[in-house]
Amino acid sequence: DGGITQSPKYLFRKEGQNVTLSCEQNLNHDAMYWYRQDPGQGLRLIYYSQIVNDFQKGDIAEGYSVSREKKESFPLTVTSAQKNPTAFYLCASSVGLGAGNTIYFGEGSWLTVV
Amino acid sequence: AQTVTQSQPEMSVQEAETVTLSCTYDTSESNYYLFWYKQPPSRQMILVIRQEAYKQQNATENRFSVNFQKAAKSFSLKISDSQLGDTAMYFCAFMKPGGNYGQNFVFGPGTRLSVLP
Repeated sequence: DGGITQSPKYLFRKEGQNVTLSCEQNLNHDAMYWYRQDPGQGLRLIYYSQIVNDFQKGDIAEGYSVSREKKESFPLTVTSAQKNPTAFYLCASSVGLGAGNTIYFGEGSWLTVV
Repeated sequence: AQTVTQSQPEMSVQEAETVTLSCTYDTSESNYYLFWYKQPPSRQMILVIRQEAYKQQNATENRFSVNFQKAAKSFSLKISDSQLGDTAMYFCAFMKPGGNYGQNFVFGPGTRLSVLP
């Protein structure tokens, strides 16, 4: 079945460590996104990529990094520079960036700093 | 900057009843897109309904319909014949013209809906 796969679903990180969240899609979508979700808040955009080898910062990119070496993959690294990384992270994709396209979401990854 | 407000953090409804979730937004634009997303306990976000501001007719999708009041900047979601599977967080979202999912796509804080048997 086509969809977006995020892994791991739960991840614990020690302070000072970098961690990488995986996102793979087999929908043949060009555009991919990473969102962060905190309790009582809507989604906030971290990074997005319109095409392979290109990505743009979203609203809260500080402390995060991404790569887009393959169309189907868009991993997110949470670096030690991210001051408050404990959150729920959602990956998404769409055929294109425009509102006429439907954006599809993965099932998310929980990151907890211990 | 555009903002989206959902004034009801939590709501509950009896199974088979009708419930309305409210959403207001702030913009100076005349054309834009509005969305309702559902996030069930599985946490996967799912598009419920989409409305383009220049369209007068309210969007519907099976048991889900919206009441779009452009002058009041209001975009409420009505769920008819509520089912247990409707239990979820519901997010209202806004996109300005010329914007896209990477820019100017703003979510509200969400409303947690519980459907009671």
